[in-house]
This record gives sequence, structure tokens and C-alpha cells, in this order.
Amino acid sequence: GAGVSQSPSNKVTEKGKDVELRCDPISGHTALYWYRQSLGQGLEFLIYFQGNSAPDKSGLPSDRFSAERTGGSVSTLTIQRTQQEDSAVYLCASSLAQLGLAGGFNEQFFGPGTRLTVL
Amino acid sequence: GQQVMQIPQYQHVQEGEDFTTYCNSSTTLSNIQWYKQRPGGHPVFLIQLVKSGEVKKQKRLTFQFGEAKKNSSLHITATQTTDVGTYFCAGQISNFGNEKLTFGTGTRLTIIP
Repeated sequence: GAGVSQSPSNKVTEKGKDVELRCDPISGHTALYWYRQSLGQGLEFLIYFQGNSAPDKSGLPSDRFSAERTGGSVSTLTIQRTQQEDSAVYLCASSLAQLGLAGGFNEQFFGPGTRLTVL
Repeated sequence: GQQVMQIPQYQHVQEGEDFTTYCNSSTTLSNIQWYKQRPGGHPVFLIQLVKSGEVKKQKRLTFQFGEAKKNSSLHITATQTTDVGTYFCAGQISNFGNEKLTFGTGTRLTIIP
């Protein structure tokens, strides 16, 4: 594909419902990140997948948040029992993560994001 | 854990004025990247710096990596309305490609025409 894609682009849900957000990274990219960005704020790291390694979940704000990456490609971020404070844009990014390359060049390519609104 | 701070958080400048954002890491970095996010858009990669004291230029943008590899700066000369957006730095500690990239807090630039 041409780049990182995310779906849906917009999601409106009611408080207490579960939502699933999808990310399709660039083919061949081994690293995949999820970030959350509230209006006018910076990037809040959520989770990082790298190849077959155990994901870095240190940024997940609560146990209502989980993510998986199947077959080293597509990733799904799930938010259970959504709350109004979960409203934000959820961004996915992928990178080639060239192991051992001097200088460690890992440009991240971001998807367009999913705007989540919890009513 | 590693922290990357940027100052200022916001900057308003008249069109034609210069702009600088500073990035400071709590730990020594192996490399640092810069991204730009236009309003309503997603972050887009601008450049990567690797060497101590490295300076790179892209037209009106000048990027610098500090001698101690703990800080970096982005300077824009004679700002234009197209420069509006939020600028993020992002760093890695090690040279290994599989290490997580840590983003700075960002500097939002607005231009007064």
C-alpha cells in the first residue's frame, strides 16, 4: 500500500461501549506504534510492537485499553467500557526498524488517525 | 524513564520573523528526529540527526544536534504561513533499530500574517 491506513476515520460511541480501532502498517515494517492525541496536545505513547518481541505496553492508561498485532502486520487497539476522557485522535505509526544499522534510522510513517468521540 | 522536553510549548510570530524550538533529553541520545504536524494532520518526518554537533539545513530550516547529544534545535528563518504547525523532536538512546522512539512534548507555531 501507499502508506499507513487506519479505520474508521471517525468513531462516535456512547459511554460504556467497546470500540475497536484498526491500523494497517506499511508492508514490511516491523515496528508499529499507537499514540493518542487530545485536541491541541502532544503525542501520548500507548503501545509499541516490534517484530516477534513482547509489546511495550507501558503507555496504556488503564486495563480498559489493549492492543494486538496479528501476523506481524495489522494491529487492533481495543478500548473497553469507553469513557468521555477517551475522546481523542488515535494515531498509528510504523517504521522499518533497521536492526543494527549505524545511526538507527527509523523514520516513522503515521496514519491519518481515528477521531474517537465518546458521548 | 527517558524524557524529552521541548520549549517553548507555544510560539506566536509575525510572518517573516525567525522561530526556534529547543529539544532537551534527560539521557544521551544516539539519534534524534524532527517531525512536523500541520493543523488537522498527522506528524510527518522532516529529518534525522546522528552525529555530535551535526547541523543540517533544509531551505529555511536549520537543525542542530548538540555536542553532548542531549539536546537539539530547529530554527526557521523568515517564517511563512506554510510553517504553521506543531514541531516534535523524537529521540532514541541506542543505535539499535528496534528501540522505541520517544517523542518530545512539541512546540506549536502560529504565524501572524
